[in-house]
Amino acid sequence: DAGVIQSPRHEVTEMGQEVTLRCKPISGHNSLFWYRQTMMRGLELLIYFNNNVPIDDSGMPEDRFSAKMPNASFSTLKIQPSEPRDSAVYFCASTLGGKPDTQYFGPGTRLTVL
Amino acid sequence: QKEVEQNSGPLSVPEGAIASLNCTYSDRGSQSFFWYRQYSGKSPELIMSIYSNGDKEDGRFTAQLNKASQYVSLLIRDSQPSDSATYLCAVNWNTGNQFYFGTGTSLTVIP
Repeated sequence: DAGVIQSPRHEVTEMGQEVTLRCKPISGHNSLFWYRQTMMRGLELLIYFNNNVPIDDSGMPEDRFSAKMPNASFSTLKIQPSEPRDSAVYFCASTLGGKPDTQYFGPGTRLTVL
Repeated sequence: QKEVEQNSGPLSVPEGAIASLNCTYSDRGSQSFFWYRQYSGKSPELIMSIYSNGDKEDGRFTAQLNKASQYVSLLIRDSQPSDSATYLCAVNWNTGNQFYFGTGTSLTVIP
C-alpha cells in the first residue's frame, strides 16, 4: 500500500485566497483525521471522520475551516478565506477503527499564507 | 485545560546513554498511550504503544505506564545519533477515536 497520500505537499498563497488540501487514506482504514502542527501549539486535532461521517469537529478553529469526506478514499480540508495565522503543516492520518495503534500519518502539506 | 503535557526540551544525551522522556496527562478514565517519533520535516511515526500499567519493551525502547500517577515515559537505551528527533506522546481516550498529542520533546544524541 502507498500509505496516506496528501496533496499538495507545499502551498503558498496570499491572504484571502481559498486553499484546499487533499487526502487519500490507506485502503481499508475507516477513520480519518486532520491535524495541524505549529511550533507554538504542537499537533492539534482539527476533525475526524468515522466511516465518512464527521464525528468530532471541535478542533476546527473557526468557520473559515471546513472538511468533507465524500467517500472512503478521499477527504478535503478547505480554508476560505485564508489568513497568515493559518500557516502551518497540515497532516492527514488514518486508522482502522477500534485499533488506535494502526494510525499512520501522511507526509503533510506545508501551508504558507502571505 | 492541558490534556497531555511534555517537557519541550531540548534534551541532550551522549551516544550510548539512556534517554528518558516523560509525559503526564489529565485523568479521563481508561486510556491507551502511544509514543511517536518525528524527524525534522517529516511526519510522526508510531514507535510504541502501551495499554496497561507497567513496562513494555521493544528492542532499545521501553515504555512505562503508571495510571495512578498519570504519567507515561519512554526510555531509549544505548542512544544513537539516529534517535535524534522530536518524540510525541499521544493519548487515546476510549470515548472515541481521537488522539491528543503533547507538544513533543526534542532529543539530541551527541556522538
